[in-house]
Amino acid sequence: DSGVTQTPKHLITATGQRVTLRCSPRSGDLSVYWYQQSLDQGLQFLIHYYNGEERAKGNILERFSAQQFPDLHSELNLSSLELGDSALYFCASREREGQETQYFGPGTRLLVL
Amino acid sequence: AQSVTQLDSQVPVFEEAPVELRCNYSSSVSVYLFWYVQYPNQGLQLLLKYLSGSTLVKGINGFEAEFNKSQTSFHLRKPSVHISDTAEYFCAVRRSYNTDKLIFGTGTRLQVFP
Repeated sequence: DSGVTQTPKHLITATGQRVTLRCSPRSGDLSVYWYQQSLDQGLQFLIHYYNGEERAKGNILERFSAQQFPDLHSELNLSSLELGDSALYFCASREREGQETQYFGPGTRLLVL
Repeated sequence: AQSVTQLDSQVPVFEEAPVELRCNYSSSVSVYLFWYVQYPNQGLQLLLKYLSGSTLVKGINGFEAEFNKSQTSFHLRKPSVHISDTAEYFCAVRRSYNTDKLIFGTGTRLQVFP
């Protein structure tokens, strides 16, 4: 158990819908990263937050957005869902600047029908 | 930009045999290197990492990896595998400065047969 929690574990929804994925980092960790794992794209970085501020963006679609709240949990919002958004979404946390290791949560499996 | 190539998508091996999973990276700047393992229906777990110093790093579950700067490689090895090592293994790289993202390879599926 990495100490990173993600909810829900599974999510099935229809095209055009909007969903919110939630991540709670390890206690005290200030950084949260979101990654998408799909069969065709592999594991890809989406976005990084540090202590409530966006730090970096990767291959994140405009239909996707994220935020990190004062209690440090983070949410990834996916809207106007398409079939191709079906994937496993991971979040990872890291303690602070200078810490090298990211600890991954168990992921949220999203299926868009 | 950095990139990672995992040369083998699948590696079948018999139990108690040695195994090597290959990883090559490309980067114009100093990097950190990682190996993560993903068991079925689970998240990613860190196996080991290379930050600096000794080029041979030891990780959990008997795995080790060797950083070779001249060949830009970071191959993962285990002298004797178990059935329980069956999983997907990912090599990852990130810049050694800044709060940088991980860039992953495409993964290698290790299948251990009895």
